[in-house]
Amino acid sequence: DTEVTQTPKHLVMGMTNKKSLKCEQHMGHRAMYWYKQKAKKPPELMFVYSYEKLSINESVPSRFSPECPNSSLLNLHLHALQPEDSALYLCASSPKGVNQPQHFGDGTRLSIL
Amino acid sequence: EDQVTQSPEALRLQEGESSSLNCSYTVSGLRGLFWYRQDPGKGPEFLFTLYSAGEEKEKERLKATLTKKESFLHITAPKPEDSATYLCAVQALTTDSWGKLQFGAGTQVVVTP
Repeated sequence: DTEVTQTPKHLVMGMTNKKSLKCEQHMGHRAMYWYKQKAKKPPELMFVYSYEKLSINESVPSRFSPECPNSSLLNLHLHALQPEDSALYLCASSPKGVNQPQHFGDGTRLSIL
Repeated sequence: EDQVTQSPEALRLQEGESSSLNCSYTVSGLRGLFWYRQDPGKGPEFLFTLYSAGEEKEKERLKATLTKKESFLHITAPKPEDSATYLCAVQALTTDSWGKLQFGAGTQVVVTP
């Protein structure tokens, strides 16, 4: 079991739906991340939050909207997604400071119909 | 431009047959190099962080080493449960302290009984 919990584990949605992915950690980490991973590819960074503020947006389309309500919780709001957005969405967190490893959840498997 | 290259892409081993995975990197100053293992349908699991050339880390049958241009992950007497995709990631000195990682494409390891 990982210490980063992601819900739901699986999500199927249509292109006109609005849904949200949730990520929670209770390790006291102050940085949280969203990644997208396609099959047989490495994770690709989408967003980084540092002390609940968005610090990095890797030119992600606006149909993905991140939110960090508090230091333990990270959400990813989804709207009007495209079939190519189908992927495994991973959340990670890390402690403050340089060189600290990121700890990943097991992801949400997203399928867009 | 920063680059991380892993080889081989895939490795098939018999149980007990030791081998090494390679991660070569080109970055404008290395802040840290990270090894992860990823099982199908799961998030990456953190294994090691290496910071400077000459450093070595060990965990059970795994040993990671670092030079100025590459890192090796040695698997000694592997067991079937060592089957996974092994990912290497680097954090460059030019990135902010919250760890923008660049991943290699991974090496898929299969250990047969």
